[in-house]
Amino acid sequence: ETGVTQTPRHLVMGMTNKKSLKCEQHLGHNAMYWYKQSAKKPLELMFVYNFKEQTENNSVPSRFSPECPNSSHLFLHLHTLQPEDSALYLCASSQERATSGNTIYFGEGSWLTVV
Amino acid sequence: SQQGEEDPQALSIQEGENATMNCSYKTSINNLQWYRQNSGRGLVHLILIRSNEREKHSGRLRVTLDTSKKSSSLLITASRAADTASYFCATDALGGGSNYKLTFGKGTLLTVNP
Repeated sequence: ETGVTQTPRHLVMGMTNKKSLKCEQHLGHNAMYWYKQSAKKPLELMFVYNFKEQTENNSVPSRFSPECPNSSHLFLHLHTLQPEDSALYLCASSQERATSGNTIYFGEGSWLTVV
Repeated sequence: SQQGEEDPQALSIQEGENATMNCSYKTSINNLQWYRQNSGRGLVHLILIRSNEREKHSGRLRVTLDTSKKSSSLLITASRAADTASYFCATDALGGGSNYKLTFGKGTLLTVNP
């Protein structure tokens, strides 16, 4: 139990579907992140939110749409995805936005398969 | 790129042996962290070493940092089957503006055989 909870753990969706991944952190942190982990690739930072405001978008395609209604919750809305978007999506949080020396706490991840 | 690169990509040892994983990076850092990931799970923070430190210990873990060579090593002593996981180094350097970025490598897959 890391204090960061992701749902669902597994998701299979068609390319025309719309689905959402949910993340909730119980650590009182102010920064939240979405990472993508694909086989044989480094972990890719997708989005960063600090105090509910998006501070970073690493050139992520618009078919991924994040939402951060408050400092404890983070969503990733998915629509018209491609098979190459199949990956493990990891949510994480830290005390503040990637301040030097901060430890990042990860959720267990959501396995996404696009068919 | 600031990205750290772990070496080897995969390591297989017997229980009780020591495991050493290395991480190299390209530019100056503020600190370096090691994380562990069990198969299909999230990453868990293991240890952080600052750029002005050379060695740090935590239980069976020993981390060294050589800023002149831009490299770090993670040593797990007296390994156990439960240590089987992927291990990632993450480097922390100044990103755009005043934002610090934590950048992960591809990881070393450690298998400890009973």
